[in-house]
Amino acid sequence: DVKVTQSSRYLVKRTGEKVFLECVQDMDHENMFWYRQDPGLGLRLIYFSYDVKMKEKGDIPEGYSVSREKKERFSLILESASTNQTSMYLCASGGGHEQYFGPGTRLTVT
Amino acid sequence: SQQGEEDPQALSIQEGENATMNCSYKTSINNLQWYRQNSGRGLVHLILIRSNEREKHSGRLRVTLDTSKKSSSLLITASRAADTASYFCATDQYSGGYQKVTFGIGTKLQVIP
Repeated sequence: DVKVTQSSRYLVKRTGEKVFLECVQDMDHENMFWYRQDPGLGLRLIYFSYDVKMKEKGDIPEGYSVSREKKERFSLILESASTNQTSMYLCASGGGHEQYFGPGTRLTVT
Repeated sequence: SQQGEEDPQALSIQEGENATMNCSYKTSINNLQWYRQNSGRGLVHLILIRSNEREKHSGRLRVTLDTSKKSSSLLITASRAADTASYFCATDQYSGGYQKVTFGIGTKLQVIP
């Protein structure tokens, strides 16, 4: 079974802190994605990566950056967390059309 | 911007009934997928239908696609309490040289035992 793991299920951070969300997949997938999910807005793509050290902006990249140093790991970085970044963050990986999701990290910024 | 929009946003039915959810989208697609999300969890892929297909079945799931109307429907037959979840459609398009998947807002299904 494909497994996508995320470093934390719940996270509480203060405004201005630097936040790292990590995602690891075990299926040797080329593609990895970071989404945020908010009520009434669905899933919105923040960043994606189709190869190691490669990254592309999604629909809402502002305030975020990413790192992909190894194929299995894709990190999302909030350089200076703000309250409007309180959300559920979902990581996904995929080799074709289907995406496999991690359990999500619910981040609260106070 | 949201490509897919599900309808209804919420649906409550009795166990054993059929549940139908609809998805409309705006631009041409290569494929359309349906995903399921249990409360507080990640999404799980259910089924993919290609743009040249009109109907597809998988167990109790039936998906239709009408590219002329830019719409799709997901039918769950003989629903069970365990089907309670949110269901999302996702459209595939090529954008900027990459395949891009865009998710809708979702339909929240409650199946009452």
